Amino acid sequence: DTEVTQTPKHLVMGMTNKKSLKCEQHMGHRAMYWYKQKAKKPPELMFVYSYEKLSINESVPSRFSPECPNSSLLNLHLHALQPEDSALYLCASSPIGTGIQPQHFGDGTRLSIL
Amino acid sequence: QQQVKQSPQSLIVQKGGISIINCAYENTAFDYFPWYQQFPGKGPALLIAIRPDVSEKKEGRFTISFNKSAKQFSLHIMDSQPGDSATYFCAASMSPHKIIFGKGTRLHILP
Repeated sequence: DTEVTQTPKHLVMGMTNKKSLKCEQHMGHRAMYWYKQKAKKPPELMFVYSYEKLSINESVPSRFSPECPNSSLLNLHLHALQPEDSALYLCASSPIGTGIQPQHFGDGTRLSIL
Repeated sequence: QQQVKQSPQSLIVQKGGISIINCAYENTAFDYFPWYQQFPGKGPALLIAIRPDVSEKKEGRFTISFNKSAKQFSLHIMDSQPGDSATYFCAASMSPHKIIFGKGTRLHILP
């Protein structure tokens, strides 16, 4: 079992729906990440939160809206998505310290847009 | 210069053999090189990582070899087992939060 928990595991939504993906970690990590992964491709970074503040937005469309309510939780709010947004959405976390710290991934939410 | 080139795309190895995956980079500012293992339906899991001041790092059956002058690094899996069948991503990083992933290698170990 991974220490980064993502819910739901699967989500099917229409293009007009609003839904949220949730991520939780209890490792005390103060950096949290959202990635998008298409089939047979590497993960692509979307957002980074550092100390609960958004620090990196990789030019992600506004139909994806991240939120970090506290140091353990990360949400990704979805609205008016397109079929090409169907993918595996991964959450990750890492400590913040001297030098680069390893990122720990959850098992993702598999999102299908009808 | 931000790319990490990974080869081969796919690899088939007999059980008990050595699996070798190679990666190359251009940007000498990279200073952290992790390898991730991903099983179908799961997220990537950190397998082993190396920094450029070390030429080799071994953890169990997994070894990273690092050639700083050639800007290349590789993963060797000794005594490969069917349970090692997965997709492997090499990666490089030079900033605290951004990882540049290779395109991945799908490894299949024949029983």
